[in-house]
Amino acid sequence: DAKTTQPNSMESNEEEPVHLPCNHSTISGTDYIHWYRQLPSQGPEYVIHGLTSNVNNRMASLAIAEDRKSSTLILHRATLRDAAVYYCILREPVSGNTPLVFGKGTRLSVIA
Amino acid sequence: GAVVSQHPSRVICKSGTSVKIECRSLDFQATTMFWYRQFPKQSLMLMATSNEGSKATYEQGVEKDKFLINHASLTLSTLTVTSAHPEDSSFYICSAKNYEQYFGPGTRLTVT
Repeated sequence: DAKTTQPNSMESNEEEPVHLPCNHSTISGTDYIHWYRQLPSQGPEYVIHGLTSNVNNRMASLAIAEDRKSSTLILHRATLRDAAVYYCILREPVSGNTPLVFGKGTRLSVIA
Repeated sequence: GAVVSQHPSRVICKSGTSVKIECRSLDFQATTMFWYRQFPKQSLMLMATSNEGSKATYEQGVEKDKFLINHASLTLSTLTVTSAHPEDSSFYICSAKNYEQYFGPGTRLTVT
């Protein structure tokens, strides 16, 4: 899997938007961009994924740069429950039995 | 989304004993399951990949005789930590895959 780079930590005020960046300059043309998050003492959970176009779901939005070398996970209104480590992971479309490989991620703190 | 359960959620055992952790996919069949380990403040590290009915594939540096993995059915994989030592204390997370990869809530193992 191609490498991603994320800031170690970020901080946000409650009820404000949060933009979590991810650089993936070596992304291949077929790699999907996946985001997972891990709340304290829990297993990771899926957040969102995309290929080229921006994506929205009930949890977040994913903005993908036109050259696909970076992306941004957007939490529109951060809550205390969004405090977690967020992982940006690249995956081939047909990954077979290949597992997700986790980098260090970004630890998001949300301040009340 | 698909649900993966783990049992127990936390366990304390004495050094030298063995501990079994169960991972179940509750609403889908998973031909492939993964086991990860996570030490405090670190990312998830893949330990092994297990396929139903065949031997597990271990990552480099993971002792297969110490971490026994059994994937006897399409919904159940078990990880047995044999002759546990304090350095085996960690957060163990299983994951089951159909199209996407889904994670269990994790098992906190403490070896005293």
